[in-house]
Amino acid sequence: SQTIHQWPATLVQPVGSPLSLECTVEGTSNPNLYWYRQAAGRGLQLLFYSVGIGQISSEVPQNLSASRPQDRQFILSSKKLLLSDSGFYLCAWGLGLATYEQYFGPGTRLTVT
Amino acid sequence: GDSVTQMEGPVTLSEEAFLTINCTYTATGYPSLFWYVQYPGEGLQLLLKATKADDKGSNKGFEATYRKETTSFHLEKGSVQVSDSAVYFCALGGTGANNLFFGTGTRLTVIP
Repeated sequence: SQTIHQWPATLVQPVGSPLSLECTVEGTSNPNLYWYRQAAGRGLQLLFYSVGIGQISSEVPQNLSASRPQDRQFILSSKKLLLSDSGFYLCAWGLGLATYEQYFGPGTRLTVT
Repeated sequence: GDSVTQMEGPVTLSEEAFLTINCTYTATGYPSLFWYVQYPGEGLQLLLKATKADDKGSNKGFEATYRKETTSFHLEKGSVQVSDSAVYFCALGGTGANNLFFGTGTRLTVIP
Protein backbone atom coordinates (compact mmCIF):
# COMPACT_ATOMS: atom_id res chain seq x y z
CA SER A 1 0.00 0.00 0.00
CA GLN A 2 1.00 3.58 -0.50
CA THR A 3 2.20 5.81 2.32
CA ILE A 4 3.28 9.41 2.44
CA HIS A 5 5.69 10.86 4.97
CA GLN A 6 6.38 14.44 5.91
CA TRP A 7 8.95 15.88 8.27
CA PRO A 8 9.43 17.57 10.49
CA ALA A 9 6.01 17.46 12.13
CA THR A 10 6.53 20.77 13.90
CA LEU A 11 8.97 23.59 13.25
CA VAL A 12 9.59 26.97 14.84
CA GLN A 13 11.88 29.25 12.86
CA PRO A 14 12.87 32.92 13.17
CA VAL A 15 12.09 35.43 10.45
CA GLY A 16 14.79 35.46 7.81
CA SER A 17 15.94 31.90 8.39
CA PRO A 18 15.90 29.24 5.66
CA LEU A 19 13.35 26.45 5.37
CA SER A 20 13.38 22.91 4.07
CA LEU A 21 10.39 20.60 4.36
CA GLU A 22 10.54 17.13 2.94
CA CYS A 23 7.90 14.78 1.66
CA THR A 24 8.36 11.22 0.42
CA VAL A 25 5.93 8.71 -0.99
CA GLU A 26 6.22 4.94 -0.87
CA GLY A 27 4.43 2.25 -2.79
CA THR A 28 3.78 4.03 -6.07
CA SER A 29 5.72 5.23 -9.08
CA ASN A 30 5.64 8.53 -10.94
CA PRO A 31 2.99 10.14 -8.75
CA ASN A 32 1.86 13.71 -9.09
CA LEU A 33 3.04 15.58 -6.01
CA TYR A 34 1.56 18.67 -4.38
CA TRP A 35 2.37 21.20 -1.67
CA TYR A 36 -0.51 23.02 0.03
CA ARG A 37 -0.58 25.59 2.77
CA GLN A 38 -3.38 25.97 5.27
CA ALA A 39 -3.36 29.22 7.24
CA ALA A 40 -4.99 29.18 10.67
CA GLY A 41 -8.75 28.72 10.34
CA ARG A 42 -8.67 28.89 6.58
CA GLY A 43 -8.90 26.62 3.59
CA LEU A 44 -6.21 25.04 1.49
CA GLN A 45 -4.00 26.95 -0.89
CA LEU A 46 -2.14 25.01 -3.56
CA LEU A 47 1.46 26.21 -3.68
CA PHE A 48 3.24 23.86 -6.09
CA TYR A 49 2.65 20.69 -7.99
CA SER A 50 4.87 18.35 -9.94
CA VAL A 51 4.08 15.74 -12.56
CA GLY A 52 7.62 14.38 -12.78
CA ILE A 53 11.24 14.70 -11.67
CA GLY A 54 12.46 18.26 -12.07
CA GLN A 55 9.04 19.48 -13.23
CA ILE A 56 7.56 22.09 -10.90
CA SER A 57 4.54 24.30 -11.44
CA SER A 58 3.98 27.25 -9.15
CA GLU A 59 0.46 28.38 -8.39
CA VAL A 60 1.17 31.35 -6.16
CA PRO A 61 4.13 33.75 -6.44
CA GLN A 62 5.93 34.00 -3.10
CA ASN A 63 9.28 33.48 -1.45
CA LEU A 64 8.88 29.69 -1.43
CA SER A 65 10.24 27.23 -3.95
CA ALA A 66 9.86 23.51 -4.54
CA SER A 67 12.04 20.83 -6.00
CA ARG A 68 11.63 17.19 -6.97
CA PRO A 69 15.07 15.60 -7.06
CA GLN A 70 13.73 12.03 -7.11
CA ASP A 71 10.54 10.42 -8.34
CA ARG A 72 8.96 10.14 -4.90
CA GLN A 73 10.58 13.05 -3.09
CA PHE A 74 9.22 16.58 -2.95
CA ILE A 75 10.93 19.40 -1.08
CA LEU A 76 9.59 22.81 -0.11
CA SER A 77 12.19 25.49 0.56
CA SER A 78 12.69 29.11 1.37
CA LYS A 79 15.85 31.18 1.60
CA LYS A 80 14.35 33.70 4.03
CA LEU A 81 11.14 33.06 5.94
CA LEU A 82 8.52 35.73 6.51
CA LEU A 83 6.02 35.91 9.34
CA SER A 84 3.28 35.31 6.79
CA ASP A 85 4.81 31.91 5.96
CA SER A 86 3.45 30.48 9.21
CA GLY A 87 0.87 27.79 8.66
CA PHE A 88 0.20 24.11 8.24
CA TYR A 89 1.96 22.65 5.20
CA LEU A 90 0.52 19.59 3.57
CA CYS A 91 2.08 17.36 0.98
CA ALA A 92 -0.13 15.19 -1.18
CA TRP A 93 0.24 12.68 -3.98
CA GLY A 94 -2.10 11.60 -6.71
CA LEU A 95 -2.12 9.47 -9.82
CA GLY A 96 -3.50 12.27 -11.97
CA LEU A 97 -5.32 11.19 -15.11
CA ALA A 98 -9.08 11.46 -14.74
CA THR A 99 -9.63 10.68 -11.10
CA TYR A 100 -7.98 13.69 -9.40
CA GLU A 101 -7.93 11.93 -6.05
CA GLN A 102 -5.16 13.08 -3.80
CA TYR A 103 -3.79 11.53 -0.63
CA PHE A 104 -2.36 13.71 2.06
CA GLY A 105 0.52 13.45 4.46
CA PRO A 106 0.25 14.29 8.16
CA GLY A 107 1.42 17.87 7.67
CA THR A 108 4.09 20.16 9.11
CA ARG A 109 3.12 22.93 11.50
CA LEU A 110 5.45 25.89 10.81
CA THR A 111 5.58 28.87 13.13
CA VAL A 112 7.73 31.80 12.09
CA THR A 113 8.63 34.04 15.02
CA GLY B 1 -13.04 28.98 -13.82
CA ASP B 2 -13.68 25.95 -11.64
CA SER B 3 -14.66 26.66 -8.04
CA VAL B 4 -16.39 25.25 -4.99
CA THR B 5 -18.64 27.10 -2.57
CA GLN B 6 -19.07 25.48 0.77
CA MET B 7 -21.37 26.18 3.68
CA GLU B 8 -19.65 28.32 6.26
CA GLY B 9 -19.31 27.04 9.76
CA PRO B 10 -18.82 26.40 12.45
CA VAL B 11 -21.56 23.83 12.89
CA THR B 12 -22.37 22.51 16.35
CA LEU B 13 -24.67 19.54 16.75
CA SER B 14 -25.73 17.23 19.52
CA GLU B 15 -24.83 13.57 19.26
CA GLU B 16 -27.24 11.59 17.05
CA ALA B 17 -28.43 14.71 15.23
CA PHE B 18 -28.75 14.84 11.43
CA LEU B 19 -25.95 16.55 9.55
CA THR B 20 -26.02 18.43 6.26
CA ILE B 21 -23.08 20.42 4.93
CA ASN B 22 -23.88 22.18 1.67
CA CYS B 23 -21.50 22.30 -1.26
CA THR B 24 -22.10 23.73 -4.73
CA TYR B 25 -19.69 23.92 -7.60
CA THR B 26 -18.95 25.73 -10.82
CA ALA B 27 -17.13 23.83 -13.51
CA THR B 28 -16.83 23.22 -17.20
CA GLY B 29 -17.27 19.65 -18.24
CA TYR B 30 -18.00 16.85 -15.79
CA PRO B 31 -15.71 17.04 -12.79
CA SER B 32 -15.21 14.46 -10.09
CA LEU B 33 -16.37 15.58 -6.64
CA PHE B 34 -14.92 14.75 -3.26
CA TRP B 35 -15.38 15.21 0.44
CA TYR B 36 -12.29 15.23 2.62
CA VAL B 37 -12.15 15.24 6.41
CA GLN B 38 -9.42 16.73 8.61
CA TYR B 39 -9.24 15.68 12.23
CA PRO B 40 -7.44 18.02 14.65
CA GLY B 41 -3.71 18.28 13.95
CA GLU B 42 -3.80 15.84 11.06
CA GLY B 43 -3.71 15.86 7.29
CA LEU B 44 -6.75 15.45 5.10
CA GLN B 45 -8.35 12.07 4.50
CA LEU B 46 -10.53 11.23 1.55
CA LEU B 47 -14.00 10.57 2.94
CA LEU B 48 -15.99 9.85 -0.21
CA LYS B 49 -16.17 10.65 -3.88
CA ALA B 50 -18.43 10.64 -6.93
CA THR B 51 -17.20 10.70 -10.49
CA LYS B 52 -20.36 11.28 -12.51
CA ALA B 53 -23.85 12.71 -12.25
CA ASP B 54 -26.28 10.85 -9.93
CA ASP B 55 -23.44 8.88 -8.35
CA LYS B 56 -23.72 8.55 -4.60
CA GLY B 57 -20.52 8.40 -2.60
CA SER B 58 -20.69 6.87 0.88
CA ASN B 59 -18.35 5.99 3.71
CA LYS B 60 -18.58 5.71 7.51
CA GLY B 61 -22.27 6.62 7.44
CA PHE B 62 -21.70 9.76 5.38
CA GLU B 63 -23.30 10.18 1.97
CA ALA B 64 -23.25 12.71 -0.85
CA THR B 65 -24.99 12.62 -4.23
CA TYR B 66 -23.59 14.28 -7.34
CA ARG B 67 -26.45 16.49 -8.59
CA LYS B 68 -25.66 17.95 -11.97
CA GLU B 69 -28.98 19.82 -12.26
CA THR B 70 -28.32 21.78 -9.08
CA THR B 71 -24.49 21.61 -9.30
CA SER B 72 -24.38 20.34 -5.74
CA PHE B 73 -22.68 17.67 -3.65
CA HIS B 74 -24.11 18.06 -0.15
CA LEU B 75 -22.68 15.91 2.64
CA GLU B 76 -25.17 14.16 4.94
CA LYS B 77 -25.10 11.83 7.90
CA GLY B 78 -28.15 10.56 9.71
CA SER B 79 -26.71 10.37 13.20
CA VAL B 80 -23.46 12.11 14.07
CA GLN B 81 -21.09 11.02 16.80
CA VAL B 82 -18.61 12.96 18.91
CA SER B 83 -15.83 11.29 16.90
CA ASP B 84 -17.13 13.02 13.75
CA SER B 85 -15.92 16.36 15.06
CA ALA B 86 -13.54 17.62 12.38
CA VAL B 87 -13.23 20.02 9.47
CA TYR B 88 -14.91 18.89 6.26
CA PHE B 89 -13.75 20.03 2.83
CA CYS B 90 -15.65 19.75 -0.41
CA ALA B 91 -13.42 19.51 -3.48
CA LEU B 92 -13.74 19.43 -7.24
CA GLY B 93 -11.39 17.65 -9.60
CA GLY B 94 -10.33 20.31 -12.06
CA THR B 95 -9.37 19.94 -15.66
CA GLY B 96 -5.98 20.37 -17.23
CA ALA B 97 -3.62 20.58 -14.31
CA ASN B 98 -4.83 17.54 -12.38
CA ASN B 99 -5.59 19.67 -9.39
CA LEU B 100 -8.27 19.70 -6.77
CA PHE B 101 -10.20 22.87 -6.01
CA PHE B 102 -11.12 22.96 -2.35
CA GLY B 103 -13.87 24.74 -0.51
CA THR B 104 -12.98 26.76 2.55
CA GLY B 105 -13.90 23.96 4.94
CA THR B 106 -16.67 23.58 7.51
CA ARG B 107 -15.80 22.90 11.13
CA LEU B 108 -18.18 20.45 12.79
CA THR B 109 -18.33 20.02 16.55
CA VAL B 110 -20.52 17.28 17.98
CA ILE B 111 -21.36 17.56 21.66
CA PRO B 112 -22.45 14.63 23.82
